[in-house]
Amino acid sequence: DAGVIQSPRHEVTEMGQEVTLRCKPISGHDSLFWYRQTMMRGLELLIYFNNNVPIDDSGMPEDRFSAKMPNASFSTLKIQPSEPRDSAVYFCASTMITGAGANVLTFGAGSRLTVL
Amino acid sequence: AQKITQTQPGMFVQEKEAVTLDCTYDTSDPSYGLFWYKQPSSGEMIFLIYQGSYDQQNATEGRYSLNFQKARKSANLVISASQLGDSAMYFCAMPSGAGSYQLTFGKGTKLSVIP
Repeated sequence: DAGVIQSPRHEVTEMGQEVTLRCKPISGHDSLFWYRQTMMRGLELLIYFNNNVPIDDSGMPEDRFSAKMPNASFSTLKIQPSEPRDSAVYFCASTMITGAGANVLTFGAGSRLTVL
Repeated sequence: AQKITQTQPGMFVQEKEAVTLDCTYDTSDPSYGLFWYKQPSSGEMIFLIYQGSYDQQNATEGRYSLNFQKARKSANLVISASQLGDSAMYFCAMPSGAGSYQLTFGKGTKLSVIP
């Protein structure tokens, strides 16, 4: 299994530009999560999809952030316009919810975003 | 809301020694689980071990074990026979609420293994 695949691994952009981060979850997983990691705030959940439907987007910072999951094998996180405070590592994770026991989230390698 | 507290920002351990990383939590859910993840300097998040609140025995996975004390609401990670490759950030996490699958993470502990 290739694991959760994220792209790009690194992105440097200028303030005001649009940024799109991409994620391919593990095949067969029905749930996908976007997290953001910063030194100040640690790991924060941004949004969670189940069967391609957004279930919890309470962590999305503001209207500049949007996420989509058009099908079971692809999700995007878009920031428009980007600001320097958006600089962080963005992780995508997926799992297969079994309803019992541990639903272990498998994380991608992360996308490190720097907004100048 | 669930709350995870890791009080040790950084820890040092001598190679081959055992080390305990602390994690306390706050929840009103009758059933829950605790997860530990490792984040090496390369950045990826690696799942280590899980403990369910109703599990009778402490979880073990190779050199990792959980010292789970439900009454004290603590789920400490014990790493035995530390190796240089264990140097990393370690995060404790639990589901964000009853019936939820997204995880709330602690702030993490940076472990440094000294040769």
